[in-house]
Amino acid sequence: EDKVVQSPLSLVVHEGDTVTLNCSYEVTNFRSLLWYKQEKKAPTFLFMLTSSGIEKKSGRLSSILDKKELFSILNITATQTGDSAIYLCAWGPNSGNTPLVFGKGTRLSVIA
Amino acid sequence: DGGITQSPKYLFRKEGQNVTLSCEQNLNHDAMYWYRQDPGQGLRLIYYSQIVNDFQKGDIAEGYSVSREKKESFPLTVTSAQKNPTAFYLCASRRTSVYTGELFFGEGSRLTVL
Repeated sequence: EDKVVQSPLSLVVHEGDTVTLNCSYEVTNFRSLLWYKQEKKAPTFLFMLTSSGIEKKSGRLSSILDKKELFSILNITATQTGDSAIYLCAWGPNSGNTPLVFGKGTRLSVIA
Repeated sequence: DGGITQSPKYLFRKEGQNVTLSCEQNLNHDAMYWYRQDPGQGLRLIYYSQIVNDFQKGDIAEGYSVSREKKESFPLTVTSAQKNPTAFYLCASRRTSVYTGELFFGEGSRLTVL
């Protein structure tokens, strides 16, 4: 059974649209939830969330965690073609040495 | 500049051959990881190492082997026992002395079996 479930798996939007990407995770031993963006090769770090209800923002991107309902969302406002990428969500267990567990990712395509 | 270097970026091999993918980091990170990425599958963990001379199997270790003789280096060998080796391979590292969940990734190696 998957510990991290992302939805939708793929999404096509037009420039200027706002999108919401979802990530649900298993409750056991939760420590943190991370979001990455992967354009061509190496995933790049976006956010790490550890506390419920505290929104993290970076430009047009924002993310929030709900530890009660066991999910996180990543919002992108005023999308641009450069936002086209795979967005990966990862669950971090309560141990600094334990590997992150990744979801399958959401492939976002932004068309002009 | 600190970072993670993977080589080669592209590799072709014939069935039955072993290949080794290189991963070197100069971030002074203790922990290193190998992930495999297939279309629509996200990242799946192959092996990881928290300290030199020690490593653990991940979720899909069959057909792969690793070594960690130096802190900076964590090579992955794809053996002929791996039935479906064509994939994109990502190496990553992170600090463990102070807890942080962030992984730093290399640019990846794309392996194609002919």
